[in-house]
Amino acid sequence: DVQLVESGGDLVQPGGSLRLSCAASGFTFSTYWMTWVRQTPGKGLEWVASIKEDGSQKYYYVDSVKGRFTISRDNAKSSLYLQMNSLRAEDTAVYFCATDRGPNTLDHWGQGTLVTVSS
Amino acid sequence: DIQMTQSPSSLSASVGDRVTITCRTSQVISNLLNWYQQKPGKAPKLLVYSASSLQSGVPSRFSGSGSGTDFTLTISGLQPEDFATYYCQRSYGIPLFGGGTKVEIK
Repeated sequence: DVQLVESGGDLVQPGGSLRLSCAASGFTFSTYWMTWVRQTPGKGLEWVASIKEDGSQKYYYVDSVKGRFTISRDNAKSSLYLQMNSLRAEDTAVYFCATDRGPNTLDHWGQGTLVTVSS
Repeated sequence: DIQMTQSPSSLSASVGDRVTITCRTSQVISNLLNWYQQKPGKAPKLLVYSASSLQSGVPSRFSGSGSGTDFTLTISGLQPEDFATYYCQRSYGIPLFGGGTKVEIK
């Protein structure tokens, strides 16, 4: 069975950094695009970033995270990452990782990890 | 701005009812639209992709239709486990979710 387990969410002060991880199992990780989606009560579901199977292409879909967030992956470890720098209060959300079977269709999701940005 | 408009934002229904949720996009997207179900505290789950194709394992009471700018998710014979929030999502170009429709028990 496909399993995606996110970790790394925490309470962090504005301006701080966090690195989210997503450990994948039950499928051939290196053959899937992967995506991070976040959810807040106010803005709903937001598609944050996606990365190609080999990591050669990365796309960021939320203007406010461009230049601050970096998506990456380690196929040898079947892991997806989201490095988040210069965090702001509006980045507070539950962050989900998901497999993207294309085009832009998320067929498996992790349980999510909560990021809270507050002083 | 590209917009995804779901309606209604919430509805009350009874077990056995036929429920219809609509999603309208501000741009023609062919059939590149997906539907997800989310229960409280859980991740979204893919129900329908490419507007009308049922994801493996999803009960046949769920169906999707539409193309262009107007799409519909129908639940024929609402079951207790179907009370949840439903989201549409365009898979054409910039991926974007609708605002959600909460289906509650009447």
